[in-house]
Amino acid sequence: DARVTQTPRHKVTEMGQEVTMRCQPILGHNTVFWYRQTMMQGLELLAYFRNRAPLDDSGMPKDRFSAEMPDATLATLKIQPSEPRDSAVYFCASGLVSGNYGYTFGSGTRLTVV
Amino acid sequence: QKEVEQDPGPLSVPEGAIVSLNCTYSNSAFQYFMWYRQYSRKGPELLMYTYSSGNKEDGRFTAQVDKSSKYISLFIRDSQPSDSATYLCAQTGNQFYFGTGTSLTVIP
Repeated sequence: DARVTQTPRHKVTEMGQEVTMRCQPILGHNTVFWYRQTMMQGLELLAYFRNRAPLDDSGMPKDRFSAEMPDATLATLKIQPSEPRDSAVYFCASGLVSGNYGYTFGSGTRLTVV
Repeated sequence: QKEVEQDPGPLSVPEGAIVSLNCTYSNSAFQYFMWYRQYSRKGPELLMYTYSSGNKEDGRFTAQVDKSSKYISLFIRDSQPSDSATYLCAQTGNQFYFGTGTSLTVIP
């Protein structure tokens, strides 16, 4: 059963530290999304890639967040420096651009910044 | 205004009840509509999708889109405790626009 793999599942870090989250999309999927989920805001789109090229990262705070796809099997989301307000669950999702009927989400990285 | 608006609930119903979950959307240009189910501490999983308007049925679940009123609905018949989750509606254009989710609890 193909799935999107995210690591780590949980991360607790101190304010000011760098945080890197990783995502392995489903093999063959050419579109990757990064979302952040909080109780107050729900799912917020941070960035997405198609064929490894960034298409939209307008949802990311540019001064501290960065997203990359060094290859087709790995997407990364980095926060530097981290702040307590970054505490949330970060989800990666992958799919096919032609598959408008849905994408597959990973299980998320639960980030706590203290 | 968010692209997709959803009542966050929470909604609590007895087992066997019919559940109605609703969303409204603002952009008529996007034609794909989806419902995702999210269990606690899990990622959202696709439950149903519809294209354009009308109804789609899958077992106990029915998804409905009313384009005239820009309304998206999900009906759950004979609700079960295992249906207890957060339900997210979504509309797709070049990206996904999600509602904030409705928390549903089905009480045995």
